[in-house]
Amino acid sequence: GQNIDQPTEMTATEGAIVQINCTYQTSGFNGLFWYQQHAGEAPTFLSYNVLDGLEEKGRFSSFLSRSKGYSYLLLKELQMKDSASYLCAAMDSNYQLIWGAGTKLIIKP
Amino acid sequence: GAVVSQHPSWVICKSGTSVKIECRSLDFQATTMFWYRQFPKQSLMLMATSNEGSKATYEQGVEKDKFLINHASLTLSTLTVTSAHPEDSSFYICSATSAARMGSPLHFGNGTRLTVT
Repeated sequence: GQNIDQPTEMTATEGAIVQINCTYQTSGFNGLFWYQQHAGEAPTFLSYNVLDGLEEKGRFSSFLSRSKGYSYLLLKELQMKDSASYLCAAMDSNYQLIWGAGTKLIIKP
Repeated sequence: GAVVSQHPSWVICKSGTSVKIECRSLDFQATTMFWYRQFPKQSLMLMATSNEGSKATYEQGVEKDKFLINHASLTLSTLTVTSAHPEDSSFYICSATSAARMGSPLHFGNGTRLTVT
């Protein structure tokens, strides 16, 4: 079956770095997405990886290893506003998104 | 970038009534729209996929007679929750894409928070 695993909750300190891991199993693969979702709001797109390696976008970076079915989202210089849930989603061969349950990130001063 | 508008943002209705939620793609033609439901502290759950001009494909466990989806144009899809009950209270989110955008990130509407009393 198709499955996405990511930690339920993580805590980090303002100004620090945090890495959120995601492993996936899908029927075919057309890319790995990371979304940010603040409480009560819809998800907003953060990153997309379809090839192996690291994609950097400002304070956020995303990494993909297709052979390992693994991705991570790296957040640097954490700010209080980064407190949110981070959703990992893999796109299968039918272009359907398989969603993880989300990782709630708590930032402490 | 792609803009998806969803209306209303929140709605409160009485048990037994029906509620219609609209999802519009504002700057592209959406051949495919997705409807999600999200309960508190849970992940997004895909309810159905609708392609313009054809019947929606519902996920297992989603009642198609209760959640009516209409995708009559390339810019508008509607979800009607019929005979709503308190257990239907949830956050409903739509997203839209097109054939040209397959493999591209989904862009979501702002969501509709439904409370059934």
